[in-house]
Amino acid sequence: GNSVTQMEGPVTLSEEAFLTINCTYTATGYPSLFWYVQYPGEGLQLLLKATKADDKGSNKGFEATYRKETTSFHLEKGSVQVSDSAVYFCALTFSGGYNKLIFGAGTRLAVHP
Amino acid sequence: GAVVSQHPSWVICKSGTSVKIECRSLDFQATTMFWYRQFPKQSLMLMATSNEGSKATYEQGVEKDKFLINHASLTLSTLTVTSAHPEDSSFYICSRTSGGLETQYFGPGTRLLVL
Repeated sequence: GNSVTQMEGPVTLSEEAFLTINCTYTATGYPSLFWYVQYPGEGLQLLLKATKADDKGSNKGFEATYRKETTSFHLEKGSVQVSDSAVYFCALTFSGGYNKLIFGAGTRLAVHP
Repeated sequence: GAVVSQHPSWVICKSGTSVKIECRSLDFQATTMFWYRQFPKQSLMLMATSNEGSKATYEQGVEKDKFLINHASLTLSTLTVTSAHPEDSSFYICSRTSGGLETQYFGPGTRLLVL
């Protein structure tokens, strides 16, 4: 079946450190891949997405590249800020149908000054 | 600004009572909306797909008679937790898609506590 696996958190970093959150997927076919972010007390927001192999999604300094050969979509940021503290969810869906999203378990990021 | 709203944002109820949660699409007529459940420190689990003018599609393991979904208009879907029990305490989140695009827009969630 289709599934998403994320690295376990929490991830604790100092401000300006480099961030990587690993995400791999299992899918029948070619899904679109997403990173959603949930800030404390708020709903999920789309952070970035990629719809085909080798695409790179980017937003707010975050990047992720759709790697079909490794079935991965790792999230990276060169220099994190305290305001990036949140829970990050990797997800996949297939075009057409009901656009059902399949989420990973989420990774909590805590950035300290 | 927000494109999906939920009401209430939190609710406390007694065991055995029913609770209705509203999800509104503020800027788009959504024929399809989704209801998720999120347990503490866990991921979102899709409960059901809400279809305007027809029956909801429930995921395996979700009791349709316990979680009643009504999508009577293109901007409103409701989830009613019937005869709530403490194990139903959770964070309930709705979302909608944007036309034919794959991106989903999520509501802020409703926290339910059943005593």
